Amino acid sequence: AQTVTQSQPEMSVQEAETVTLSCTYDTSESDYYLFWYKQPPSRQMILVIRQEAYKQQNATENRFSVNFQKAAKSFSLKISDSQLGDAAMYFCAYISNFGNEKLTFGTGTRLTIIP
Amino acid sequence: EPEVTQTPSHQVTQMGQEVILRCVPISNHLYFYWYRQILGQKVEFLVSFYNNEISEKSEIFDDQFSVERPDGSNFTLKIRSTKLEDSAMYFCASSEEGISNQPQHFGDGTRLSIL
Repeated sequence: AQTVTQSQPEMSVQEAETVTLSCTYDTSESDYYLFWYKQPPSRQMILVIRQEAYKQQNATENRFSVNFQKAAKSFSLKISDSQLGDAAMYFCAYISNFGNEKLTFGTGTRLTIIP
Repeated sequence: EPEVTQTPSHQVTQMGQEVILRCVPISNHLYFYWYRQILGQKVEFLVSFYNNEISEKSEIFDDQFSVERPDGSNFTLKIRSTKLEDSAMYFCASSEEGISNQPQHFGDGTRLSIL
């Protein structure tokens, strides 16, 4: 079974600075997708960024980028120029590309932005 | 931007009672999901639904749980006889297709409190 681990329950960063959230996963599969979801206090989970395992290039979405290390099974999220609106719970998630439709989530990292 | 909507936002129910949680997925989406998040724990997959059938379910989704798409817009989760351990946040999600690279869009969640 796949597992996703987020070892940082809480992180904080000064506004305008850069922060990296860690995620590792365990799987025996070679083809899968990884996601970062953001859950602000308003509760709705919003997709931040996704990475396809067969693509070596790291995904980037504006201020958000990932460092995907397939051999190490690591998928960290970097937030550049942190803004107050980035404060949220961040979840790393995995989904297999072999007909398995369920997302497997990590336990989340609560990110605080310090003004 | 279209959203997944869930009602109610908070439901308080006596143990042993039936509860129905409601979701309106995004209108052109064909795949529907329920997840739950017990306070302080990770988000867990419950069930996926396509073409009026359950396509996958987790071991959490026992005989006390059922899902239904009673009309063209609603997607419901019913818990027949609630237990204290059913207290959690329940998230509905939908995706356009059931393939892994199509992101699942989440609703705000329903907080279920069992007394």
